[in-house]
Amino acid sequence: NAGVTQTPKFQVLKTGQSMTLQCAQDMNHNSMYWYRQDPGMGLRLIYYSASEGTTDKGEVPNGYNVSRLNKREFSLRLESAAPSQTSVYFCASRSDSHFYGYTFGSGTRLTVV
Amino acid sequence: SQQGEEDPQALSIQEGENATMNCSYKTSINNLQWYRQNSGRGLVHLILIRSNEREKHSGRLRVTLDTSKKSSSLLITASRAADTASYFCAPNRDDKIIFGKGTRLHILP
Repeated sequence: NAGVTQTPKFQVLKTGQSMTLQCAQDMNHNSMYWYRQDPGMGLRLIYYSASEGTTDKGEVPNGYNVSRLNKREFSLRLESAAPSQTSVYFCASRSDSHFYGYTFGSGTRLTVV
Repeated sequence: SQQGEEDPQALSIQEGENATMNCSYKTSINNLQWYRQNSGRGLVHLILIRSNEREKHSGRLRVTLDTSKKSSSLLITASRAADTASYFCAPNRDDKIIFGKGTRLHILP
């Protein structure tokens, strides 16, 4: 099925550990995004990539790095996890056409202890 | 990028009734989108209305846009239990959507 695939679905980290969240889309979209969602809150934009080879900061980039490995894949890395990064992380992609919205993955639930 | 603000924050209605949610924003836009999020899931795109459109329909959904008032509304007619979810509006100008806190809709049996 076409869409956005995120891995892993769940992860528990200890403070200071590092990890990479993976995201891949098979819809040939140029734009990809990483959001985080905390309880009762909307989604906050962490980083985005308008095309392969480009990345830009969103609202809350501190503590994160991203890589747009190719057109399909956009990964999010936590170099030294902190409890404040406990959240649900969503990846999304967008068609270049302005008539369509974003397609979201099912999320990664991350807990930092 | 800009953020939409949804109102009300929470809404409970009886199954079969209509549900109306509102969205306000602050700057000019190219389009405005509405999304649904079921508990624990990713957002699902519902409908997009362009800045030069005033009303759009999709099944039981009706969206209006008033660019002079910088506001939009989402109407869900004949609500069903499966409509229980959070709904987010997304005013879009530069393709970096910032989501608000949404409206939590609860359909009562």
